[in-house]
Amino acid sequence: GENVEQHPSTLSVQEGDSAVIKCTYSDSASNYFPWYKQELGKGPQLIIDIRSNVGEKKDQRIAVTLNKTAKHFSLHITETQPEDSAVYFCAASAGNQFYFGTGTSLTVIP
Amino acid sequence: DAGITQSPRHKVTETGTPVTLRCHQTENHRYMYWYRQDPGHGLRLIHYSYGVKDTDKGEVSDGYSVSRSKTEDFLLTLESATSSQTSVYFCAISVRDDEQFFGPGTRLTVL
Repeated sequence: GENVEQHPSTLSVQEGDSAVIKCTYSDSASNYFPWYKQELGKGPQLIIDIRSNVGEKKDQRIAVTLNKTAKHFSLHITETQPEDSAVYFCAASAGNQFYFGTGTSLTVIP
Repeated sequence: DAGITQSPRHKVTETGTPVTLRCHQTENHRYMYWYRQDPGHGLRLIHYSYGVKDTDKGEVSDGYSVSRSKTEDFLLTLESATSSQTSVYFCAISVRDDEQFFGPGTRLTVL
């Protein structure tokens, strides 16, 4: 099956700086790559996604890049704010099963 | 939360007792999923359903069973709870065949 690895496991940045989280996947059949934000005590919330026919996607301060050849994708958050502090998960899917990374705990220091 | 509710939200039970968790959706989506979330493991798929009475196993299905008798409800049963099943359980649905949305979770403690 698919194996998704996510790094780093923890990340601290100063408010206003950028944050980058990276994931790799193993199954070349994976074609959908969502990112989730999870706040304490809540379920994961889809924040952005990218499909394998696209190399980059941006939504305001959040962007995701995909390198199919290298089998890795990344989440970029610019101009970080304290409310960006949360756990972020990447995932890969080929069809209707999803495989998740182990999460990155992001802390934005005011 | 894409119209997903989970019940109960919190449960404490004893080893060896059966436990059933319920997931309810309001939008008649075909695919529903049960995951467990544990520190250091992220989210791991237990079972999923692709229609009424149609279910399949995920990567951590041992000790769990599921049922789906109506489109809107997906039940997860721990037939004889063990301490290793202490976890947070999330239900999810798929929209447009890939986008996945999660419920608020159920925190289960097995003593």
